[in-house]
This record gives sequence, C-alpha cells and structure tokens, in this order.
Amino acid sequence: SQQGEEDPQALSIQEGENATMNCSYKTSINNLQWYRQNSGRGLVHLILIRSNEREKHSGRLRVTLDTSKKSSSLLITASRAADTASYFCATVFSGGYNKLIFGAGTRLAVHP
Amino acid sequence: GAVVSQHPSWVICKSGTSVKIECRSLDFQATTMFWYRQFPKQSLMLMATSNEGSKATYEQGVEKDKFLINHASLTLSTLTVTSAHPEDSSFYICSAREGREGPNNEQFFGPGTRLTVL
Repeated sequence: SQQGEEDPQALSIQEGENATMNCSYKTSINNLQWYRQNSGRGLVHLILIRSNEREKHSGRLRVTLDTSKKSSSLLITASRAADTASYFCATVFSGGYNKLIFGAGTRLAVHP
Repeated sequence: GAVVSQHPSWVICKSGTSVKIECRSLDFQATTMFWYRQFPKQSLMLMATSNEGSKATYEQGVEKDKFLINHASLTLSTLTVTSAHPEDSSFYICSAREGREGPNNEQFFGPGTRLTVL
C-alpha cells in the first residue's frame, strides 16, 4: 500500500504543551501536505512542503521533511484546546493525476 | 476563494436504493475532482479521480458499477452510490483542484457527506 503511517495514533496533552506528530511514507514524493479534520467535518489544509524543502513554518506550526528517511513531522507549539482534531499527512506521488494519498492520522486531544 | 461544497451534507436511505452526492467548486473551475470515503476513526481512502469530460479513474478495489462518477462540467462532479447497502455507510468527501495538474497544486476539500444506509 502506498498509504503512509503516522504516529502516534492518538496524543493527549495539556494546553500550552507542544504536540509532535510523525508521518512516514514509502515511495518518492513531489510534496507532502498536512491536513486537519475536526470530528465529522471536512479537511482543512495546513501546510505543504515540497520535496526539496526541509522545513516550513506557519504560525504555530512547524513541518520538517526528511526525504532520505521518507518521513515528516508536524509540530504544534503552545497548543490550545481548539487544536483538538485529527491530523493527517498526505503525499503526492509522481505520475498519474498527482493524487493525494493519506496517512492513517493522529487524533490529538488538548485538555484545558 | 477556493470553496468546495457538497450536497447533501447527510443522507439516510433504505437498502437497495441509489443515492447521488454532488460536489461543486463554487468560485473556480476544477479540472480534476477526487472522491474519498472515510470510515469512523479512520483515514481517507481515495476512491476515484475524475477529469472533466472523461471517464473517472478508479482505485484498485473500488467497484465502478457501484460508485458511478460523473464530471460533466468544470464545477460539478457527482457520485452515485447504486443499490446501497449498510456496508456503504460512510463519510464521503470530495476535493477539487483548479488549474494545471502540477503536483504542487492544492486540492480544496468539501465538507463531506455522511451516508447511512438502513
């Protein structure tokens, strides 16, 4: 399966703490994207990192990409209760219609 | 900008009936649209890719006669679940991509449709 893996599957932290989620994938990619999904809702695009980039920031989000290890991490700093959601990485593989393949996701719970 | 809508947001139907779900790009032209399904507490699984004016490309294991996809215009794609059964109950999400088919072109996701088959 092309689908990547994410760990941890679930993460529970207190407000103010940092949350780190990891994503691994199996084949060469064009880019990797992180999405957020609140329970029963659609997806919100958080950040895209290209294969030739190593780190990217957006507000409290920091994404790293290590293509040699085929892995990425998403760091949310100073977490808030409103950050409670599921987070998915998705990769775009070369060829075809440049479709997104999603990882298994990490369910993050931030407690006040 | 870049808003994608889905209709209906939820639907309950009897086993054996067919259900149509619409996906619309509201403020851009979507050359390509994608359909995903998501079971509770699981990830999104790509079902098919549809390009405007051509037949959809289905992922392995997805029955094309069961899940009919039509992408008749640059702003509308429909997914019809034919002869629905309880195991088809799921959250169906579409996404749309505008412009050229470059790998860095963002996909914009609809809010999803929850299908419950009794």
